Amino acid sequence: DTAVSQTPKYLVTQMGNDKSIKCEQNLGHDTMYWYKQDSKKFLKIMFSYNNKELIINETVPNRFSPKSPDKAHLNLHINSLELGDSAVYFCASSLPGQTSEQYFGPGTRLTVT
Amino acid sequence: DAKTTQPPSMDCAEGRAANLPCNHSTISGNEYVYWYRQIHSQGPQYIIHGLKNNETNEMASLIITEDRKSSTLILPHATLRDTAVYYCIVRVKTSYDKVIFGPGTSLSVIP
Repeated sequence: DTAVSQTPKYLVTQMGNDKSIKCEQNLGHDTMYWYKQDSKKFLKIMFSYNNKELIINETVPNRFSPKSPDKAHLNLHINSLELGDSAVYFCASSLPGQTSEQYFGPGTRLTVT
Repeated sequence: DAKTTQPPSMDCAEGRAANLPCNHSTISGNEYVYWYRQIHSQGPQYIIHGLKNNETNEMASLIITEDRKSSTLILPHATLRDTAVYYCIVRVKTSYDKVIFGPGTSLSVIP
């Protein structure tokens, strides 16, 4: 069974549209994350939620809004998509604590045209 | 910018040990060194982590220098499936705040 799943895997859309990416984990973890991987392969954290509460909010445009309906789900909604939003977005989860490793989803490749 | 530096690419013959270096000269005393890898088109996968002692698990060994300013990930018997980008990161005390993965070392295991 997939530990961390994301839908969709690929998303092609036009500038100005609003889209959502969904993430679910069945590991029983308390903490979930969204990362963005750019064309240079840098993977940067965007958001982190612990038990449905936001704990990390890096400098990302407020067009990006995470939503956590329960601790197993962390969805990412993006308003007014721009060309620069094209990237691969990864969801991850972990147990809280200093030494816990993260488990990543397969990624969603977003292409804005 | 990432707090670690790694060579952009390395080759390794199949069956031989792959030694991947990482410099983290500004590491703080309470930061751990983590290694992840990303196989093409997949999400990153955790490999190993350590604070100051050497560590070994079923996937790899981690050697951290005494001053903690650098480390080496060792894949003892590299296989073709180990071809991936390997990321070395250092983590702040309680979360993944400010963590940036990348660009890592692209390891090619050659038959």
